[in-house]
Amino acid sequence: GQQVMQIPQYQHVQEGEDFTTYCNSSTTLSNIQWYKQRPGGHPVFLIQLVKSGEVKKQKRLTFQFGEAKKNSSLHITATQTTDVGTYFCAGSTTSGTYKYIFGTGTRLKVLA
Amino acid sequence: NAGVTQTPKFQVLKTGQSMTLQCAQDMNHEYMSWYRQDPGMGLRLIHYSVGAGITDQGEVPNGYNVSRSTTEDFPLRLLSAAPSQTSVYFCASSYSGFQVTNTEAFFGQGTRLTVV
Repeated sequence: GQQVMQIPQYQHVQEGEDFTTYCNSSTTLSNIQWYKQRPGGHPVFLIQLVKSGEVKKQKRLTFQFGEAKKNSSLHITATQTTDVGTYFCAGSTTSGTYKYIFGTGTRLKVLA
Repeated sequence: NAGVTQTPKFQVLKTGQSMTLQCAQDMNHEYMSWYRQDPGMGLRLIHYSVGAGITDQGEVPNGYNVSRSTTEDFPLRLLSAAPSQTSVYFCASSYSGFQVTNTEAFFGQGTRLTVV
């Protein structure tokens, strides 16, 4: 079945450092979503990427969808303590459905 | 605007007991799903529904039943609870998947279930 892996599993950074998490799918994706979950909270939608090679930015966050639509990345520039949480990617192999398989997540800790 | 509401927030069950986790959304979303979250495992899809009367299995469906009699509600039933079902359960809903750009999922607050 479809598998979505994320690396790294954990990342500790000093405030102000950059952070990147990578998402890799065993199958070609129709689109990919990214979510953030604060400690003790629920996942909150960040963005969706649909096109091959697509790059989107949200302030200090840059999201990229690979050319082959099998991988994606989230890069945070100059991390802040508010960036703490777990970042998940979620991929769908069928356009137009919500059968999204989530990655294992990357837990980010930012040290002040 | 309530969004996605899950009840209860916390529950302790004894092995073998059954219970239903409730999920309701008021956004008229067609798509609803249940996930369980375990440490180091991310979110795993249990069951999902693409509309009233239609359900399908996800990655880890064993031990769980669902039904979708209305657009608003998508309850998850544990038939005979086992310690392996100790987890945090999230319900999510999203708009029709026919428009790919509108498939953002809204999650409930979660139900923390412990089976002893």
